[in-house]
Amino acid sequence: KNEVEQSPQNLTAQEGEFITINCSYSVGISALHWLQQHPGGGIVSLFMLSSGKKKHGRLIATINIQEKHSSLHITASHPRDSAVYTCAVGGSNYKLTFGKGTLLTVNP
Amino acid sequence: GAGVSQSPRYKVAKRGQDVALRCDPISGHVSLFWYQQALGQGPEFLTYFQNEAQLDKSGLPSDRFFAERPEGSVSTLKIQRTQQEDSAVYLCATQRLAGGASYEQYFGPGTRLTVT
Repeated sequence: KNEVEQSPQNLTAQEGEFITINCSYSVGISALHWLQQHPGGGIVSLFMLSSGKKKHGRLIATINIQEKHSSLHITASHPRDSAVYTCAVGGSNYKLTFGKGTLLTVNP
Repeated sequence: GAGVSQSPRYKVAKRGQDVALRCDPISGHVSLFWYQQALGQGPEFLTYFQNEAQLDKSGLPSDRFFAERPEGSVSTLKIQRTQQEDSAVYLCATQRLAGGASYEQYFGPGTRLTVT
């Protein structure tokens, strides 16, 4: 079974700070997804990675396949970034295994 | 509609009642997933449909859980004789293509089920 560990579980930051959320997994994967869920909102897919790095606006996601590790970075954080961020990994079939999520709170 | 919709958004059931949760996928999406998300946990896989075929139901926790997608579009997750441990958010997600963890999944808003 592929275990997915996220850290930290909870993160509080001041507006403008650089944020890093980490995700580690235990077995080989074909893709890793980063998901965002605002309070009271639905889950939105931010990134899907199988190698390297992707950037969208102030969000950057990286993955190191050899180390079985991915990071999600937020530059110049803003209160509207406050949400739960979850990583999910997929292997050779269609199933995704999810981490427990990181609750990010960005204070003004 | 543009996204995946689910209904009802909230459901309170008395223990022992049957419930039915509906998912309306994005039009044309082949793959449909149901997940269960307990409080403070990540979503857990329940079942997977490719069009109308239920290819995997290995995550359904008991035979009280039943899912269908008879015409390859709308799906219903039914829970019979609900128990308190069934209280969770039930998420539906769809994918444009068949199978493959490398494809983006589009999530519905979820149905929060509370069993009292």
